[in-house]
Parts: sequence; structure tokens; C-alpha cells
Amino acid sequence: KAGVTQTPRYLIKTRGQQVTLSCSPISGHRSVSWYQQTPGQGLQFLFEYFSETQRNKGNFPGRFSGRQFSNSRSEMNVSTLELGDSALYLCASSLALGGESYEQYFGPGTRLTVT
Amino acid sequence: LAKTTQPISMDSYEGQEVNITCSHNNIATNDYITWYQQFPSQGPRFIIQGYKTKVTNEVASLFIPADRKSSTLSLPRVSLSDTAVYYCLVGDLTGKLIFGQGTTLQVKP
Repeated sequence: KAGVTQTPRYLIKTRGQQVTLSCSPISGHRSVSWYQQTPGQGLQFLFEYFSETQRNKGNFPGRFSGRQFSNSRSEMNVSTLELGDSALYLCASSLALGGESYEQYFGPGTRLTVT
Repeated sequence: LAKTTQPISMDSYEGQEVNITCSHNNIATNDYITWYQQFPSQGPRFIIQGYKTKVTNEVASLFIPADRKSSTLSLPRVSLSDTAVYYCLVGDLTGKLIFGQGTTLQVKP
């Protein structure tokens, strides 16, 4: 079974631009979560989607948004990029919306660099 | 969500058993304890999860005392490839993973 895929793997943007990252979960998984990882803040939860609805949200500004499609694929968007948005963005999928396990499957991440 | 405290780093040698302890004094009744492993430039990988006593799988064992205020991840006979960051997470399975700083394990030959 194919794992979680994320595209693109690397991205360079300039301040003020916007970016869209894509995540394809493992087949059959309906929950998709997004995380930001930086050396200073570590791994931080952004949001979780299940059945096309946002179910959980972390403490990030409104510039960070996401959506999920009917095939469970998800995108996250960051508008008006700031230098501090440079990070590894990780997507994770799981079968259900929590409830039974914390077992999530992570993708390789998208490395975003803002200059 | 309960806060967790882990050692920042640990060193070990190949073939040894490694025990990483995590403190979670404010763990709630419905909280589970989960451990993840992360290699550089990769996403975290689920290792093990438990609620009480002991859980064992093909990779590790998780020991949880009766008061559940701490837990210990045990990795038997580590190899160089076990060098990674190990995260202890505590939560009520609402799907929101809260990662701490983790423990960087360095396995030496």
C-alpha cells in the first residue's frame, strides 16, 4: 500500500507570496492532519480534516488554511508568507478521527523556504 | 492535554537496551501514552501506544506504572539505525498530536 505523499518536496518563495501544499493520504484513510516543524518550535499541530471538515485546529494565524476533498486528499495554503514560515510541513493520515489510536502515518514533508 | 517531560538527549552503544522515561504528572483518566520516532528529514513514525501496565510489539515495549504519571519506552538491543529523536505524547485520542522537544538518542558503535 502506498504511503502518504506530499508535493512538492521543496519550495522556495519570497515574502508576501502565497503557497499551496498538497497531501495524498494512504488509501482508505479519511483523516488528514498538518504539522509545522522548525528547529526552534519543534513539531506543532496546524489542523486536522475528516470527511472534508476541519475537526481540530492549532494555534496558528488565519494565514494558514486548509481543505480536504471528497477523495480525502488535502491541501494547505499559507498566504502573505513571512520569513518565519520557513519550515518542514508534514502531513499525516489515519483511518479514523482519533477515537481509537494515535497512530498516524506521516509523509516525507514539504520543505518551504521563504526568502 | 498533559505536558510531557523527557531527557533532551541520551547516548547508548550498539546491542544495549535503552530505556527512555517520560514524565506526565497531569495525565487525565482518558489519556493514552504514545511514542513516535523521527529520523532527520523524515516524518515521525508511530512506535507504540498504551494506557496502563505493559505493552509490547515487535519494535519496543512500553511500561506504565499504576499511577500513570510516567512511562518508559524500552528499545531492546539498539543498533546504529535506532539513532533518532523519540517523542512521548499524551492525549485523549481526539486526533490532535502535541509533540514536546523529544529525546535525541545517539547510538554509538
